[in-house]
Amino acid sequence: NAGVTQTPKFRILKIGQSMTLQCTQDMNHNYMYWYRQDPGMGLKLIYYSVGAGITDKGEVPNGYNVSRSTTEDFPLRLELAAPSQTSVYFCASSYAGGAGNEKLFFGSGTQLSVL
Amino acid sequence: TQLLEQSPQFLSIQEGENLTVYCNSSSVFSSLQWYRQEPGEGPVLLVTVVTGGEVKKLKRLTFQFGDARKDSSLHITAAQPGDTGLYLCAGWDRDDKIIFGKGTRLHILP
Repeated sequence: NAGVTQTPKFRILKIGQSMTLQCTQDMNHNYMYWYRQDPGMGLKLIYYSVGAGITDKGEVPNGYNVSRSTTEDFPLRLELAAPSQTSVYFCASSYAGGAGNEKLFFGSGTQLSVL
Repeated sequence: TQLLEQSPQFLSIQEGENLTVYCNSSSVFSSLQWYRQEPGEGPVLLVTVVTGGEVKKLKRLTFQFGDARKDSSLHITAAQPGDTGLYLCAGWDRDDKIIFGKGTRLHILP
């Protein structure tokens, strides 16, 4: 059982380039999330999805886009990379939301540097 | 905006010592969770506390939820190098969103 799988593990981008961070989960979870983690700043929610075809903005969505065409996959797109997007990105999933005090399962992260 | 304040931000202690870290808020949460994150990995859930005043034990770790459901503490007895990591508290709010604190970075010296 793989859980939440993120690719790539590391990536260096030049300013203005675009890329997609991949995330897939095999637990049939309805909720999926994208977070960024900057040193000393905790986890900030970028986008989340409560099911296939449904996405919503989190705390810091500017500069990012997402789609959720299947239950399993939740890719994060950076269209015009900027140095401010240098961070570690985590994808997470849960079966449901807070009503069930759900546990989040995290991937192992993507370390992105924009130079 | 609901916030979770964690303290201390950093803690470095000798193996065998006891420690307590805190997670505080001015808001009420339906539950609080504690996650541990090791370098190069994502956070992993340690515990969820739901009832005000609840105490849960996980081997040498003791978690407490405040009576008013606004704060929580994590106490580690006889810390070991394997306890080293970033400890994050998280709360589910009434809008069905989970909020994370900035974390306490713990380093246990052998």
